[in-house]
Amino acid sequence: ETGVTQTPRHLVMGMTNKKSLKCEQHLGHNAMYWYKQSAKKPLELMFVYNFKEQTENNSVPSRFSPECPNSSHLFLHLHTLQPEDSALYLCASSRHRASGIRVTDTQYFGPGTRLTVL
Amino acid sequence: AQSVTQLDSHVSVSEGTPVLLRCNYSSSYSPSLFWYVQHPNKGLQLLLKYTSAATLVKGINGFEAEFKKSETSFHLTKPSAHMSDAAEYFCVVSDNNAGNMLTFGGGTRLMVKP
Repeated sequence: ETGVTQTPRHLVMGMTNKKSLKCEQHLGHNAMYWYKQSAKKPLELMFVYNFKEQTENNSVPSRFSPECPNSSHLFLHLHTLQPEDSALYLCASSRHRASGIRVTDTQYFGPGTRLTVL
Repeated sequence: AQSVTQLDSHVSVSEGTPVLLRCNYSSSYSPSLFWYVQHPNKGLQLLLKYTSAATLVKGINGFEAEFKKSETSFHLTKPSAHMSDAAEYFCVVSDNNAGNMLTFGGGTRLMVKP
């Protein structure tokens, strides 16, 4: 395994529920990411955290709320979701390089949470 | 701006025959390029990575890819397919000036026939 774990692996929720997805990385990385993978669409970046600070929000609706309490843990809080939010939600982590170093870090992915919104 | 196109959404090969998964990219700057594999109900696993060193990159499980700047391509190959190679493969590009922002291709589903 890659050292990135996600729980739960499967989640079914109604549109009025509130739930949270959890990601944990054991790689000593400082950057963490949430991606959405829908059927027949390329992987979409949702949020990026570097050193616990959110550095990217890719026009994600406010019904998705990320939280990064420390560089090893990342949460995605869900409320009043829509059926079209059903997807595989993937977490990833990478080292964070100082600016000016022109090599992209490898991102390591967790197994994902399969979310179904009824 | 960066983008990546995987030219085939599905590829089917027989076990023991060569695999070719095609990828073309667009990047304003010197890119990093990756291939990831996703088996059913699993996350993405890194196969290999190009970061401006050798243009022929060897990865895990016998896969390799060649960076061809003149053709803006980064095709993935394997000499002999195995049944366990059946999965979805993603080509990914990142401008080295774009921090760690990755752009994913649409994926190629590889089917391996016995």
